Amino acid sequence: SQQGEEDPQALSIQEGENATMNCSYKTSINNLQWYRQNSGRGLVHLILIRSNEREKHSGRLRVTLDTSKKSSSLLITASRAADTASYFCATLTGKGAGGTSYGKLTFGQGTILTVHP
Amino acid sequence: EPEVTQTPSHQVTQMGQEVILRCVPISNHLYFYWYRQILGQKVEFLVSFYNNEISEKSEIFDDQFSVERPDGSNFTLKIRSTKLEDSAMYFCASGVPGLAGTLTDTQYFGPGTRLTVL
Repeated sequence: SQQGEEDPQALSIQEGENATMNCSYKTSINNLQWYRQNSGRGLVHLILIRSNEREKHSGRLRVTLDTSKKSSSLLITASRAADTASYFCATLTGKGAGGTSYGKLTFGQGTILTVHP
Repeated sequence: EPEVTQTPSHQVTQMGQEVILRCVPISNHLYFYWYRQILGQKVEFLVSFYNNEISEKSEIFDDQFSVERPDGSNFTLKIRSTKLEDSAMYFCASGVPGLAGTLTDTQYFGPGTRLTVL
């Protein structure tokens, strides 16, 4: 699989249920970020977790990171119809020591989440 | 809250024509990026820009592409001779130095320009 692969590809749940999306990656990372995209619209940054962190919370979002397994999960609790969107994980990498890259994001294919009212 | 803006929101052009996509990054940001998303596919990195020069570019970013920061606020992506396969949503992003000192931390994305090449 490629850097930043999410599963499932699509998730359909009822309002009030929790939604869990997973992401795997291949290379060493500086941090991992989750973004949301409503159909045909821009990317909205949701949450960032650094490589030395294991878990992070923001409102109804909970992100975990397991660098030994090169995986992350995004949990949305008590989902709402308005959470319907595509969710992408993106890993931040740079060129490394001596390089002049200031970080590029590598995105996964995304999970399409549908929350039914 | 400051945000990245992009114009136009939708650009339609004929194959072989030149297009310029414009972005106004967040004013105190130092790092600028272009990404693209072909319909139904993942978002792909094109190029990063810092201190008035390209710091990294992907294999997609060939000689047909160029970027410029012509003044203190705008950041542009030019495609010299568009091809059908350039049809995509193009996102501009900007960021500030992260905790690592050099790598950006959060990148803030604009709403995108949908480019359609006929």
